[in-house]
Amino acid sequence: QQQVKQSPQSLIVQKGGIPIINCAYENTAFDYFPWYQQFPGKGPALLIAIRPDVSEKKEGRFTISFNKSAKQFSLHIMDSQPGDSATYFCAASRHGQNFVFGPGTRLSVLP
Amino acid sequence: DAMVIQNPRYQVTQFGKPVTLSCSQTLNHNVMYWYQQKSSQAPKLLFHYYDKDFNNEADTPDNFQSRRPNTSFCFLDIRSPGLGDAAMYLCATSREPGGRDTQYFGPGTRLTVL
Repeated sequence: QQQVKQSPQSLIVQKGGIPIINCAYENTAFDYFPWYQQFPGKGPALLIAIRPDVSEKKEGRFTISFNKSAKQFSLHIMDSQPGDSATYFCAASRHGQNFVFGPGTRLSVLP
Repeated sequence: DAMVIQNPRYQVTQFGKPVTLSCSQTLNHNVMYWYQQKSSQAPKLLFHYYDKDFNNEADTPDNFQSRRPNTSFCFLDIRSPGLGDAAMYLCATSREPGGRDTQYFGPGTRLTVL
């Protein structure tokens, strides 16, 4: 119930491609879904987050798509750049509980 | 710049020798967290402080302790490090607890146990 599944484990795209990372959850009480980006040797940093009252949120080149009925959400990176190469963690939480992180996706964007 | 600072960035200790990792924040946040992150894995929450209230995760080993002497500082004490405790330790802060607020992470301390 508390688990967040994330796929793929790793992803390689060419510069300009649109990598898509998918997450799925079981607990319908979750109501906050952030994505964190982590570069090697650094701590994670919040990238973008969504609440279940909207189906999509865009911030710059990053878009979250949310499907409440399927209990799935995904991160799309438009016009990906080599500087986007990092590990991406989805997470979920509900009021009164800390984040449950997915296992992470290592993205490599080739020049 | 307001930030979360962790010292040292790299720590080497011997099996069974106590070690202390430190975290400080200039964000004046109420909540401070300690996570353990092993290679290619998600961060795992060990415990957090909401102001002075300490909250331990159920599966955090007794070997791990924490202190928060004031709002700005938080320490992670590992009483008898084992080889399995080698990991990156991340400190994070947020204004409010409960997973509704952005968590700001420090750069981490990489612990090696010989």
